[in-house]
Amino acid sequence: SQTIHQWPATLVQPVGSPLSLECTVEGTSNPNLYWYRQAAGRGLQLLFYSVGIGQISSEVPQNLSASRPQDRQFILSSKKLLLSDSGFYLCAWSPQGAWGYTFGSGTRLTVV
Amino acid sequence: QQQVKQSPQSLIVQKGGISIINCAYENTAFDYFPWYQQFPGKGPALLIAIRPDVSEKKEGRFTISFNKSAKQFSLHIMDSQPGDSATYFCAASRAVAGRRALTFGSGTRLQVQP
Repeated sequence: SQTIHQWPATLVQPVGSPLSLECTVEGTSNPNLYWYRQAAGRGLQLLFYSVGIGQISSEVPQNLSASRPQDRQFILSSKKLLLSDSGFYLCAWSPQGAWGYTFGSGTRLTVV
Repeated sequence: QQQVKQSPQSLIVQKGGISIINCAYENTAFDYFPWYQQFPGKGPALLIAIRPDVSEKKEGRFTISFNKSAKQFSLHIMDSQPGDSATYFCAASRAVAGRRALTFGSGTRLQVQP
């Protein structure tokens, strides 16, 4: 069966520090991968998606970037965090051509 | 045209009551409509989904009603329980450039009081 792993679960980082969040998927190949952000009490905002290795599409211009160095690995990064980057970050995957999204357990990022 | 409008923003229901959450869309290219349930501090999890050629789908206490002509769909939770207290997101899916794009509603925070 397919599983999605996301870490760390919580993170407190100072303003101006770098960020790296990692997401991996097991039990499938060539998945579509997604990064979402959820502000407190708010909806889900799509940040990036990837349909293959090295293929990244950005939905919202911002202080973040994403990379997909391996087929089932998706990384969310920032060189210098801003206070506004605080939020709940969710990784998700879906099979190629299929609609079903499966979400990871999320990372709670607090920028102080 | 890519939006999915969800209401209400929050909902309080007594135990045993019926919870109803409504969503509406504009883009007729949407062809799959899932609902997600999210508990605090967790990622959303698929609850139930429906295709537009079906007017109703029921899974246990959860039912989706779909009105294609009105471009509206709703989630009904029968015999609501305190354990159903969570945030619910409707969504709509369509094919975009070789992938399935999912557009989420803004979410409804449901509180079921014992």
